[in-house]
Amino acid sequence: GESVGLHLPTLSVQEGDNSIINCAYSNSASDYFIWYKQESGKGPQFIIDIRSNMDKRQGQRVTVLLNKTVKHLSLQIAATQPGDSAVYFCAERVDYKLSFGAGTTVTVRA
Amino acid sequence: NAGVTQTPKFQVLKTGQSMTLQCAQDMNHNSMYWYRQDPGMGLRLIYYSASEGTTDKGEVPNGYNVSRLNKREFSLRLESAAPSQTSVYFCASSVSGQANTEAFFGQGTRLTVV
Repeated sequence: GESVGLHLPTLSVQEGDNSIINCAYSNSASDYFIWYKQESGKGPQFIIDIRSNMDKRQGQRVTVLLNKTVKHLSLQIAATQPGDSAVYFCAERVDYKLSFGAGTTVTVRA
Repeated sequence: NAGVTQTPKFQVLKTGQSMTLQCAQDMNHNSMYWYRQDPGMGLRLIYYSASEGTTDKGEVPNGYNVSRLNKREFSLRLESAAPSQTSVYFCASSVSGQANTEAFFGQGTRLTVV
């Protein structure tokens, strides 16, 4: 079946460096993508979204890139801070339902 | 504005017991969802309700039932709990399944079936 997946389950990054979290999807019918952040003991929280007719979208310290040719999505976090330590999920929308990848755990080193 | 509220936050059940997880949203959203989250598997959709009065199966519906009581409330019922249903359950809501807006999540219910 088709699924959303992240390339790496864990990412360790030095405080102040930029982080890049990758996600591969296989459903070409996906029309909307979202990145969520989940801190320990909490529900997922929205970070940024992008529609399939766009290839880049920027927020505060975050940028999402979408490459539909290779079905790849990435989240870039600038100047990573300790508060960015969390699990990050990409989600794709197909048939009005959101499907999630397994997540990448980001650990920020002081 | 509380967003999405789930109760209870924690629950321990014995195999074969039944229980209902409650979810309510105060954002006037049309669509509501139930997910389960297991280690290393992300969130998997159990059931969803695109609008009041409709419910549909998601990826892993077996062993569960749902009720969209009204626009605000969407409950998940386990009729006969099994250890395989030990998980963290999240309720979510969105404006609609068609709108380009994110889903908002509750804080989760940690369920253990022994």
